[in-house]
Amino acid sequence: DGGITQSPKYLFRKEGQNVTLSCEQNLNHDAMYWYRQDPGQGLRLIYYSQIVNDFQKGDIAEGYSVSREKKESFPLTVTSAQKNPTAFYLCASSMTTGRPNYGYTFGSGTRLTVV
Amino acid sequence: AQKITQTQPGMFVQEKEAVTLDCTYDTSDPSYGLFWYKQPSSGEMIFLIYQGSYDQQNATEGRYSLNFQKARKSANLVISASQLGDSAMYFCAMREDSWGKLQFGAGTQVVVTP
Repeated sequence: DGGITQSPKYLFRKEGQNVTLSCEQNLNHDAMYWYRQDPGQGLRLIYYSQIVNDFQKGDIAEGYSVSREKKESFPLTVTSAQKNPTAFYLCASSMTTGRPNYGYTFGSGTRLTVV
Repeated sequence: AQKITQTQPGMFVQEKEAVTLDCTYDTSDPSYGLFWYKQPSSGEMIFLIYQGSYDQQNATEGRYSLNFQKARKSANLVISASQLGDSAMYFCAMREDSWGKLQFGAGTQVVVTP
């Protein structure tokens, strides 16, 4: 079955460490996205990529980095520069066509906690 | 500027009753899509319903219907016959063109009581 897989489900990070969150999709979607969600809040866009080897900053990109070397994969690195990384991270993908009727397919999320 | 506004942070509804979740949006693009997602406590985002800006009829999907008032720029979600399993966070979102990002509102927490 096609879908989008995020791993790990739970991640613990020590102060000063970089950690990488995995996101893989087999839906043949062109675009992929990373969102951050804090408790009781909406989704805020970190980074997005519409094609391989290209990505753009979202609204809260500081302290994060991404790569898009393959269409299927869009890993997110939370660097030590991100001062408050504890949050729920959601990855999503979508087709890109001439019409706006394609929503996102979401992964199941990674819950990151700083210890 | 906030593109999607959900003014109800939370609401209680009794089982079997209908509930309306408000959503207003702001765009000057004539072609856009509006989406509603459900997020249970597990965190997954579940797509519920879609309305295109050119669609003549309001969208319906089972117990979900979208009250689309284009002139007022509102896209309210109506859940009929609420069930305990409907307790979740609900997000309204908009996509302005096929290359555009999906922009989310702040969400409405719904709690269904017996």
